Amino acid sequence: GQQLNQSPQSMFIQEGEDVSMNCTSSSIFNTWLWYKQDPGEGPVLLIALYKAGELTSNGRLTAQFGITRKDSFLNISASIPSDVGIYFCAGQLSGTASKLTFGTGTRLQVTL
Amino acid sequence: DADVTQTPRNRITKTGKRIMLECSQTKGHDRMYWYRQDPGLGLRLIYYSFDVKDINKGEISDGYSVSRQAQAKFSLSLESAIPNQTALYFCAASNADTQYFGPGTRLTVL
Repeated sequence: GQQLNQSPQSMFIQEGEDVSMNCTSSSIFNTWLWYKQDPGEGPVLLIALYKAGELTSNGRLTAQFGITRKDSFLNISASIPSDVGIYFCAGQLSGTASKLTFGTGTRLQVTL
Repeated sequence: DADVTQTPRNRITKTGKRIMLECSQTKGHDRMYWYRQDPGLGLRLIYYSFDVKDINKGEISDGYSVSRQAQAKFSLSLESAIPNQTALYFCAASNADTQYFGPGTRLTVL
């Protein structure tokens, strides 16, 4: 089955730094979602994007739906220790009854 | 948010044993899903169900079966567990837009 490619796979950053990660696909999606998974927990939805070119923010998080519909980007500004976790992108096609294709994840670790 | 619970949270079993993982949700969502998570591979869909009479295979259904006993309950079974089924298993429930995940079950098959 298809999986989305996320980069970077992992990153160490210092508290206060901005973070960027992206997700690419060989095929188009109509919806892009970004989830965060804390250790020992299930993924939690952060941001949903429904339109090509859309830029959406949720607090310090900003995500963009790529104009080609084959990619998406997530930025975190002024990182804090609780940003630690694994970030997953997920794509969804219309008519696929909410089936999601997940990315491979970006592991974020923050140093003080 | 949908309140999705999974039992057990951790399970160690032996090759060849039958295992059932259970999932319940309290928000009345029609759609439920089972995923498996392996390091470096993200989440992969095993089975999904849109209501109690609807069961669909996902991308990695071989070796698994499911039962939708009620709108709120969706269980995953491994009829004869094998070591490469060692993974973290997540259940999710959704409305039309958003999937809400349970806390996961860590299964180890020896």
